[in-house]
Amino acid sequence: GDSVTQMEGPVTLSEEAFLTINCTYTATGYPSLFWYVQYPGEGLQLLLKATKADDKGSNKGFEATYRKETTSFHLEKGSVQVSDSAVYFCALRGSNTGNQFYFGTGTSLTVIP
Amino acid sequence: NAGVMQNPRHLVRRRGQEARLRCSPMKGHSHVYWYRQLPEEGLKFMVYLQKENIIDESGMPKERFSAEFPKEGPSILRIQQVVRGDSAAYFCASSPPRIKETQYFGPGTRLLVL
Repeated sequence: GDSVTQMEGPVTLSEEAFLTINCTYTATGYPSLFWYVQYPGEGLQLLLKATKADDKGSNKGFEATYRKETTSFHLEKGSVQVSDSAVYFCALRGSNTGNQFYFGTGTSLTVIP
Repeated sequence: NAGVMQNPRHLVRRRGQEARLRCSPMKGHSHVYWYRQLPEEGLKFMVYLQKENIIDESGMPKERFSAEFPKEGPSILRIQQVVRGDSAAYFCASSPPRIKETQYFGPGTRLLVL
């Protein structure tokens, strides 16, 4: 079945460091891919998405490219800030599974000044 | 346009009691989804509903859990005879009528079973 495998955390970076959080997926057909962010005590917020191969989603300095050949959707940011500290979830919506989303286990990011 | 609303935000129940979690989708959204997040884990799909219909309940435990989305009013996730293992954050998401749309999440209800 469809699934998402996400880099385990926690990840601790200094401010202005480069961030990569790996995400790979397994799916039949042509899934859509998402990154959500969860701040402490809050719900998930959509960070970015890509709906077809080679699409690049971007928002707030974060980017992720839908790579069908490597079944990956890695999240990157060139210079993290303290305010980026949160848990990041990679998610997939399968093309053959209705509207159900499949989430990774989440990667906790802490950015220190 | 208000976001997805969930209440209560926090709910404490003793073992054996019932828990009712409410979700009001965004305006114009007719699809509702419930997810459960156990401590230190990702979200797990529970159920997908449209108005007055359960579309996919493949993630719902077979016993004690039920969900509805009536023609009027919020969607309700009901847990009967709660046990400590039900302690989790329960998130509701909604999406517009068209398929393959992004889901928008509510702030969640954190259930603690004593």
